[in-house]
Amino acid sequence: ELKVEQNPLFLSMQEGKNYTIYCNYSTTSDRLYWYRQDPGKSLESLFVLLSNGAVKQEGRLMASLDTKARLSTLHITAAVHDLSATYFCAVGIQGAQKLVFGQGTRLTINP
Amino acid sequence: DGGITQSPKYLFRKEGQNVTLSCEQNLNHDAMYWYRQDPGQGLRLIYYSQIVNDFQKGDIAEGYSVSREKKESFPLTVTSAQKNPTAFYLCASKRDPGTYEQYFGPGTRLTVT
Repeated sequence: ELKVEQNPLFLSMQEGKNYTIYCNYSTTSDRLYWYRQDPGKSLESLFVLLSNGAVKQEGRLMASLDTKARLSTLHITAAVHDLSATYFCAVGIQGAQKLVFGQGTRLTINP
Repeated sequence: DGGITQSPKYLFRKEGQNVTLSCEQNLNHDAMYWYRQDPGQGLRLIYYSQIVNDFQKGDIAEGYSVSREKKESFPLTVTSAQKNPTAFYLCASKRDPGTYEQYFGPGTRLTVT
């Protein structure tokens, strides 16, 4: 059974600082997705990572995938308040048409 | 405008009543999914369907039922057998077997008292 674990689960940081959210998963997969969720809202797709070594960047967010380590990271550079949200990683189950989600990381960025 | 719609946004029911949540998509996606999200928690898969007239149980299917009579529609019924139905319900769809990326609807918040 595929398990996906994120850490930290809660992160409070100051504007302007850098930080990284980690997503570990338990079995082989080369399909990893990052989503953002604002309070009371649905999930918005951020990044699609489809191969070992994949790196994607959008503004102050950068995601990477290391399939050998079964690890993805979401790096925040010079955080701003607008990035406050809950971030989920999700891993595709090989041979099945579904995703397994991590618990989510609730990020709060303080002015 | 292509997308996924869920209705209603908020739904209130008395305990013991069945309730059906709507999910419609005009993206021409084959696969559709239902998730449940509890406060401060991640998403748990209830049911999914990869093709019309076929669906599979997810991790927490007990107390729920679905149908897939049309490609565009995947309604979820929360039955009275579901012990703790109050939650945020999210519907998603996926383009084709070659991708795992799912697109989400706006969600329905169900409160049962």
